[in-house]
Amino acid sequence: DTAVSQTPKYLVTQMGNDKSIKCEQNLGHDTMYWYKQDSKKFLKIMFSYNNKELIINETVPNRFSPKSPDKAHLNLHINSLELGDSAVYFCASRGGTAGSPLHFGNGTRLTVT
Amino acid sequence: GQSLEQPSEVTAVEGAIVQMNCTYQTSGFYGLSWYQQHDGGAPTFLSYNALDGLEETGRFSSFLSRSDSYGYLLLQELQMKDSASYFCAVRDGRGSTLGRLYFGRGTQLTVWP
Repeated sequence: DTAVSQTPKYLVTQMGNDKSIKCEQNLGHDTMYWYKQDSKKFLKIMFSYNNKELIINETVPNRFSPKSPDKAHLNLHINSLELGDSAVYFCASRGGTAGSPLHFGNGTRLTVT
Repeated sequence: GQSLEQPSEVTAVEGAIVQMNCTYQTSGFYGLSWYQQHDGGAPTFLSYNALDGLEETGRFSSFLSRSDSYGYLLLQELQMKDSASYFCAVRDGRGSTLGRLYFGRGTQLTVWP
């Protein structure tokens, strides 16, 4: 009964490759996010989707392309991976009330070599 | 834009009380949240303050002063399992579609026996 699940948990790949991370939530939330956490633990918002529509794109390079086939899923595709893309990527979802918290997935640790 | 400042590290002994501060500058403010993250884990929600004052949940309390753009998280009766990173976060918009959560860089709490 995992609330927000993302796969894979670990991803090791070489520079220049293309990879995808999948995320699904079973909380019935309308809004989903991708966050990137760097080696210094700084959590930075990348994208936000509401009911399959892109709401926020925080000046992320266009090598990153999110896709939301329905409001329960938000996938992240990354083209032409670079060393600097190495990080932990967290998917999250949130309900509609003002104080509702983010529910995070367990993260995908991406290592680009 | 958004700017949040947190001390990078705090240490304390079991059974003690610790306060972790957060100051923020934001163009729009709709509440201060706190999240806990253990090494290798996902951030998990602890508390939310929309109005000035103290919110208490068990051993955890969170305080907000909007006039001072300041808040803190207070942990009482510290336990070893409280060793983790603690992030404050501000929301810049109401509701689900507009609100994005910006995180501070976190305070690493180490609890010693």
